[in-house]
Amino acid sequence: EAQVTQNPRYLITVTGKKLTVTCSQNMNHEYMSWYRQDPGLGLRQIYYSMNVEVTDKGDVPEGYKVSRKEKRNFPLILESPSPNQTSLYFCASSPTQAQFTDTQYFGPGTRLTVL
Amino acid sequence: SQQGEEDPQALSIQEGENATMNCSYKTSINNLQWYRQNSGRGLVHLILIRSNEREKHSGRLRVTLDTSKKSSSLLITASRAADTASYFCAVAAGNKLTFGGGTRVLVKP
Repeated sequence: EAQVTQNPRYLITVTGKKLTVTCSQNMNHEYMSWYRQDPGLGLRQIYYSMNVEVTDKGDVPEGYKVSRKEKRNFPLILESPSPNQTSLYFCASSPTQAQFTDTQYFGPGTRLTVL
Repeated sequence: SQQGEEDPQALSIQEGENATMNCSYKTSINNLQWYRQNSGRGLVHLILIRSNEREKHSGRLRVTLDTSKKSSSLLITASRAADTASYFCAVAAGNKLTFGGGTRVLVKP
């Protein structure tokens, strides 16, 4: 089944404890991105990647890192999480580098709480 | 300024009725996309309408785009309880895709 998977789905952690949220897609998509969703603010893009080894900042990149070593994986790293990073996170992928011309396929979401 | 602002923020209708929601934006666009999100879950793509298109259909969904008014509407006909969800428009302009805050739709049986 074609899908985007994220792990973990739920995570409660403490301030400053490094964490990684994994994202993997099995559709051979070139474009991948991370969003966070907060009440009243909609979805905001954190980082995106046009292809392997090519990443760029979205609208709210502060406090996050990403890497794209393989086409299928795009992990989101929080080196020192803070409570304002408590949010619902979504990974998405799209078939081509021209992300604006293509449908986004979303993962199921990761609900992160930072205490 | 915000791209992709939906209106209304919330909508409550009876099963069988039609639901209409609107999306306004501020700049020229490449395309506009509509997504559905069931509570706390991932977004699911519904329809993509390009800037040179005026109307698209998919099953019970009808999307219109008026580039002169910089607005789009999503119509769900003959709504069902399963249509209860949040609906988001996403505006593709330049190399950015910007999501609006969504419309919460409640379909009462």
